[in-house]
Amino acid sequence: NAGVTQTPKFQVLKTGQSMTLQCAQDMNHNSMYWYRQDPGMGLRLIYYSASEGTTDKGEVPNGYNVSRLNKREFSLRLESAAPSQTSVYFCASSEGAALSNQPQHFGDGTRLSIL
Amino acid sequence: GENVEQHPSTLSVQEGDSAVIKCTYSDSASNYFPWYKQELGKRPQLIIDIRSNVGEKKDQRIAVTLNKTAKHFSLHITETQPEDSAVYFCARRDDKIIFGKGTRLHILP
Repeated sequence: NAGVTQTPKFQVLKTGQSMTLQCAQDMNHNSMYWYRQDPGMGLRLIYYSASEGTTDKGEVPNGYNVSRLNKREFSLRLESAAPSQTSVYFCASSEGAALSNQPQHFGDGTRLSIL
Repeated sequence: GENVEQHPSTLSVQEGDSAVIKCTYSDSASNYFPWYKQELGKRPQLIIDIRSNVGEKKDQRIAVTLNKTAKHFSLHITETQPEDSAVYFCARRDDKIIFGKGTRLHILP
């Protein structure tokens, strides 16, 4: 039981390049989330998904797209990376309805640098 | 507004002493208040949470108190140990989840 698995762990991109961050959970959770973490800013929600095929914007969605491919997988895509998107990205999942009173389980994070 | 104000941003305590971190919020619709611990380079992990119908919850050396009238909730760590050194985040939930900016806790030997 691996919990929440994110790939890659590290990535360096040039401005304008695109890439997809992958996330998978094996806990049969309904809800999944993508956050970014910047120094002194805490965790900010980018997008979340309440179930397969549904996604909703969080606090900072601009510049990102997501896909809930199936119940296990939730990917985050940067179509044209910008230096302001340099951050640590965390995927999380939780039981029950999205944003409900259930604890979130986080992956190990992806450290993304945009040059 | 929507933010959660977390204080202090940095806290140093002597090993064995207690540590208290406080968060305040303004949205009275908030009904779930989790606390996460994040060690350097690691993922955030839930350490304790409290729901709005409860005033206090305790789990061994960790406790959380909630004052809904005053709109603040606090994390209390007693008998601190070196492994308590980490960044701690509070959060609140109504129709969204908002995290505080974190408190870096240093346990001094």
